[in-house]
Amino acid sequence: NAGVTQTPKFQVLKTGQSMTLQCAQDMNHEYMSWYRQDPGMGLRLIHYSVGAGITDQGEVPNGYNVSRSTTEDFPLRLLSAAPSQTSVYFCASSYSASGAYEQYFGPGTRLTVT
Amino acid sequence: DQQVKQNSPSLSVQEGRISILNCDYTNSMFDYFLWYKKYPAEGPTFLISISSIKDKNEDGRFTVFLNKSAKHLSLHIVPSQPGDSAVYFCAASAYNAGKSTFGDGTTLTVKP
Repeated sequence: NAGVTQTPKFQVLKTGQSMTLQCAQDMNHEYMSWYRQDPGMGLRLIHYSVGAGITDQGEVPNGYNVSRSTTEDFPLRLLSAAPSQTSVYFCASSYSASGAYEQYFGPGTRLTVT
Repeated sequence: DQQVKQNSPSLSVQEGRISILNCDYTNSMFDYFLWYKKYPAEGPTFLISISSIKDKNEDGRFTVFLNKSAKHLSLHIVPSQPGDSAVYFCAASAYNAGKSTFGDGTTLTVKP
């Protein structure tokens, strides 16, 4: 199993550009989520999904869109990049949304917006 | 309002000694508490968890203690090893809420 994969590893965008961060998991996990981590801070939840076709907002959803058309994939779209979105982005998956199960994280995408 | 707090940004201990990492929470609806470990340039990895119906869970060198009345949990690492040097995140979630709330992390340095 590859686990949770994220592409790209690094990305530099100009203000106003859009892009999609890819996330895929091969563990047949029901639950997937996107977090951002800023320096000296914890992980803040952007969006999450409890199953294919179902998504919901986390703590910091503004400026981001998600969709979950398959169990495996959960892409994160930046609509119009802003310098405040410079961060490290982590995708995670879990067996269920119950909270009792650990999340498996991808290696992260380091995004810089200039 | 931060619902999960790790008040110590860093901790340094000598190899072989005990490391104690602390976490406080404010939301009494949390049912599960998990600890994750993160090395630089990698994603977090799960370490150990505890449900709110227990007060202790042990896995090898790692033990998590939960004090519900104080809304406090702690992670004990005994004995500490240099490979334990990493950032440790405390996370909490309510049953079926679909979201976990993370603390800001504590950077543990274990000196040889």
